[in-house]
Amino acid sequence: ETGVTQSPTHLIKTRGQQVTLRCSSQSGHNTVSWYQQALGQGPQFIFQYYREEENGRGNFPPRFSGLQFPNYSSELNVNALELDDSALYLCASSPLAGAEQFFGPGTRLTVL
Amino acid sequence: RKEVEQDPGPFNVPEGATVAFNCTYSNSASQSFFWYRQDCRKEPKLLMSVYSSGNEDGRFTAQLNRASQYISLLIRDSKLSDSATYLCVVKNYGGSQGNLIFGKGTKLSVKP
Repeated sequence: ETGVTQSPTHLIKTRGQQVTLRCSSQSGHNTVSWYQQALGQGPQFIFQYYREEENGRGNFPPRFSGLQFPNYSSELNVNALELDDSALYLCASSPLAGAEQFFGPGTRLTVL
Repeated sequence: RKEVEQDPGPFNVPEGATVAFNCTYSNSASQSFFWYRQDCRKEPKLLMSVYSSGNEDGRFTAQLNRASQYISLLIRDSKLSDSATYLCVVKNYGGSQGNLIFGKGTKLSVKP
């Protein structure tokens, strides 16, 4: 058990809608990274938060945004959903920005 | 060209077989290397780190060749429980404080 939790586990949205995904990091971890895993692909880095600040971003458009809260939990927000946003969204926490990352179970998003 | 490329698979092997996975990476400045295991519809979990000198953990042996930018994973005496997707992962430093770059994964099915 990694201690990282994510909610909801599954979500269905329609094109153009907005979605918020949530992640609670493992106790003692101050860094949260988000990844998108499309079917049959490896996870792709979206962005990382360290002590409430964005600490790096992958090749995702600005409609993907995030937040980290003082308790180090985090949100991923996606606006103007597109069909290709359908994927498993994984959150990973680590005790330091460059340390081993522990993954949560993911949120499976389906966009119709 | 993708930054991390793996054998496409799938690999279907009998119990007790030895199976090898190969991976290449394109960024010669990559600093850290890993193999992750991902069970169906679950999150990725760290299987082992990969060191230049090669390292072994029970039935699993990982090798790194920096000159060829090549990583391998060898599984000896395969068990049914080894059935999963194996993800080759590279971490680069600087920029985004070490986000993980995943290959597409290679699916392994071990049959009785």
